[in-house]
Amino acid sequence: NAGVTQTPKFRVLKTGQSMTLLCAQDMNHEYMYWYRQDPGMGLRLIHYSVGEGTTAKGEVPDGYNVSRLKKQNFLLGLESAAPSQTSVYFCASSYRQNNYGYTFGSGTRLTVV
Amino acid sequence: GQNIDQPTEMTATEGAIVQINCTYQTSGFNGLFWYQQHAGEAPTFLSYNVLDGLEEKGRFSSFLSRSKGYSYLLLKELQMKDSASYLCAAPNNAGNNRKLIWGLGTSLAVNP
Repeated sequence: NAGVTQTPKFRVLKTGQSMTLLCAQDMNHEYMYWYRQDPGMGLRLIHYSVGEGTTAKGEVPDGYNVSRLKKQNFLLGLESAAPSQTSVYFCASSYRQNNYGYTFGSGTRLTVV
Repeated sequence: GQNIDQPTEMTATEGAIVQINCTYQTSGFNGLFWYQQHAGEAPTFLSYNVLDGLEEKGRFSSFLSRSKGYSYLLLKELQMKDSASYLCAAPNNAGNNRKLIWGLGTSLAVNP
């Protein structure tokens, strides 16, 4: 009963490097999300998906790409990391309609130097 | 527009009661959520209100007034472990959880 699993938990990148964050959920949720959280800025939606094979842009999509090839997985890619992408990244998932909102992963703390 | 407002910081004393307010403006109201987030951790679900009134869950209660666009989270018998950020959130589409609009969170410090 893992819920939402994010990997890695910590990462340090050099400017210009690329990486992929993996999110996996075992609750058969239709919707999945990637957020970033910065001090004083709250949770900001990067991209989201309403089902397998679909993705959509959130509030702050620039510099990120996503893919949802399987219902249980949602990948977030940084093509060319910038210091402004230093943040804590959270993946979340939800049913289309329920009373429990989102289930979050434990987060990835990314530092770009 | 769509917006959620809540106080930035609050302090309270162990054993006391604290009320954290949230006002919201969303299109197609479909409930309001409260989440708790401890420092360095992920948000976790506390409550969901879709009808007016107070819902109680142990030491935590949540109130909703749809006509006023207002909610509050009531924490009783405060404990040190209640020191956390409390996030108010509401769906911005009627009928599903497609996207939640999030408040910036209220950082609660519980002092001995």
